[in-house]
Amino acid sequence: GEDVEQSLFLSVREGDSSVINCTYTDSSSTYLYWYKQEPGAGLQLLTYIFSNMDMKQDQRLTVLLNKKDKHLSLRIADTQTGDSAIYFCAESSRGGYSTLTFGKGTMLLVSP
Amino acid sequence: NAGVTQTPKFQVLKTGQSMTLQCAQDMNHNSMYWYRQDPGMGLRLIYYSASEGTTDKGEVPNGYNVSRLNKREFSLRLESAAPSQTSVYFCASRLRGAGNTIYFGEGSWLTVV
Repeated sequence: GEDVEQSLFLSVREGDSSVINCTYTDSSSTYLYWYKQEPGAGLQLLTYIFSNMDMKQDQRLTVLLNKKDKHLSLRIADTQTGDSAIYFCAESSRGGYSTLTFGKGTMLLVSP
Repeated sequence: NAGVTQTPKFQVLKTGQSMTLQCAQDMNHNSMYWYRQDPGMGLRLIYYSASEGTTDKGEVPNGYNVSRLNKREFSLRLESAAPSQTSVYFCASRLRGAGNTIYFGEGSWLTVV
């Protein structure tokens, strides 16, 4: 079955760039997503990328997709303390009824 | 915009009790989902409904039932709660189209003692 793997923890200093990595196994993935979860809250969609793209930029966020290696990354420029949260990578496949398969999440801690 | 609304937000149950988690979305989405989130396990799909009138099992359906009452509402029922069902439950919905994006509710914290 599908599998999505992420590193569990990342610590950076305020102002630095953060890079969160994700690998997936399903070669039929059509969309890949990044969600953010703050403590006690639901999941907020940050961005997504279609599988025929290799990069997407949205303000401070840059998503890179290496489809050959099944590797997805999320770069956050000028990381702020408000970016501290858990970040989930997810992939969508199986066509019209696509559910999402999530990684276990990467906890990003931004220190002042 | 309300988006996806779940109730209750917090609930404590005794082992063996039953309860229903309610979910409604006002975005006219076709598909709805129930996930559970446990520490170190990420999100796991319990059940989903691709469209009104259909439901399908996800990764961890045992101990749960669902009802897609209409296009807006998708409820999750625990018939006989067990401590292993202590978790945070998220309802979500999706409109087929650009991005196939899934939108989540705020979560329901359930403790079974």
